[in-house]
Amino acid sequence: DAGVTQSPTHLIKTRGQHVTLRCSPISGHKSVSWYQQVLGQGPQFIFQYYEKEERGRGNFPDRFSARQFPNYSSELNVNALLLGDSALYLCASSLGLKGFMGSPLHFGNGTRLTVT
Amino acid sequence: AQSVTQLGSHVSVSEGALVLLRCNYSSSVPPYLFWYVQYPNQGLQLLLKYTSAATLVKGINGFEAEFKKSETSFHLTKPSAHMSDAAEYFCAVAYSGAGSYQLTFGKGTKLSVIP
Repeated sequence: DAGVTQSPTHLIKTRGQHVTLRCSPISGHKSVSWYQQVLGQGPQFIFQYYEKEERGRGNFPDRFSARQFPNYSSELNVNALLLGDSALYLCASSLGLKGFMGSPLHFGNGTRLTVT
Repeated sequence: AQSVTQLGSHVSVSEGALVLLRCNYSSSVPPYLFWYVQYPNQGLQLLLKYTSAATLVKGINGFEAEFKKSETSFHLTKPSAHMSDAAEYFCAVAYSGAGSYQLTFGKGTKLSVIP
């Protein structure tokens, strides 16, 4: 079975632009979460979606938004990009809402975003 | 609020030596704890998890971790390091609230294995 797939793998944008990152979860997984990993740091939680509804949001500005589609894939959108948004954006999926009780989070390889 | 502290941003060991990566947590409720490994240009792979069952947890690739409530620790060990263990390791604590759950990660420890 395919794992969590993310696209694109790398992206270069200019300050002020908008970006859309995409994620396809493992087949059968209904929950998708997004994490931001700045160089030299651990991943930081941005959003969790389950059954197409936002279930959790981390401490990120409103420039960050996401959605989940009927096929459980997800998009992360970032508006008005800042230099500080440069990071590896990781998508993770799990079977249910509280994956740690059973199926853990499965991470994709991420999208490397560089803002110049 | 949950938090995780990983002591040592970089650890070097010789091939065949003991690996010890330290993690201390802070949690107001019984924690769910995890260790993940990240190889260059890849995502995170789960090594093991503690979910209030046995305090000694065995994971993949010969790694194990021991939950010590009195010390609020969850250190990761491996008896004999292999070159393929060189990677970055992250300790994380799960937080559940308001219908969601999320992981809070430490800053990571980069493990180098010297031949």
